[in-house]
Amino acid sequence: DAGVIQSPRHEVTEMGQEVTLRCKPISGHDYLFWYRQTMMQGLELLVYFNNKAVMDDSGMPKDRFSAKMPNASFSTLKIQPSEPRDSAVYFCASSFQPLYNSPLHFGNGTRLTVT
Amino acid sequence: GDSVTQMEGPVTLSEEAFLTINCTYTATGYPSLFWYVQYPGEGLQLLLKATKADDKGSNKGFEATYRKETTSFHLEKGSVQVSDSAVYFCALTKTSYDKVIFGPGTSLSVIP
Repeated sequence: DAGVIQSPRHEVTEMGQEVTLRCKPISGHDYLFWYRQTMMQGLELLVYFNNKAVMDDSGMPKDRFSAKMPNASFSTLKIQPSEPRDSAVYFCASSFQPLYNSPLHFGNGTRLTVT
Repeated sequence: GDSVTQMEGPVTLSEEAFLTINCTYTATGYPSLFWYVQYPGEGLQLLLKATKADDKGSNKGFEATYRKETTSFHLEKGSVQVSDSAVYFCALTKTSYDKVIFGPGTSLSVIP
């Protein structure tokens, strides 16, 4: 299996621009998570899906962030408009049930820089 | 709420030294416990896990024992290598919810 695939690996954009991050989970996995990692805050859970439905997006700034999972093999995280404080590494992870016995499989992340 | 606490880093060790990274948790019920490792430029990957009290998880020379009486899951390795330099995350989850709670991570540097 190719693992969780994220694109792009790096993104540099100007403040106010729209940014779209993409994720392809491992085939057959029921869960998909979006995390943000910064030096100051560590790993933050933004949103997660179970069988394509949003289960919890309380960690996501909803005025500018949106997450979609139109099918079982693809998810996007969109930021509009982007701000310098959004600069971070964004990780997508997938897993299958039951979560208490199944590890998360992470992609290699997208490093976002907003200038 | 439920949480995970780890010893602060960074930790710097010489090659072949003994490693301990402390992890304690706060959670009701019977969580499953995990250690993940993140190498530079990569995502996290599972290192080991334990799903019930007194279980010992082990992988690549690393070990951790689930101690319910002390709510701990300390990571140990008898002889570290330069290639073990990474950030280590302790984590928990429970059957009653669909998410994973991560600790803040502990950075380890091993010098030759």
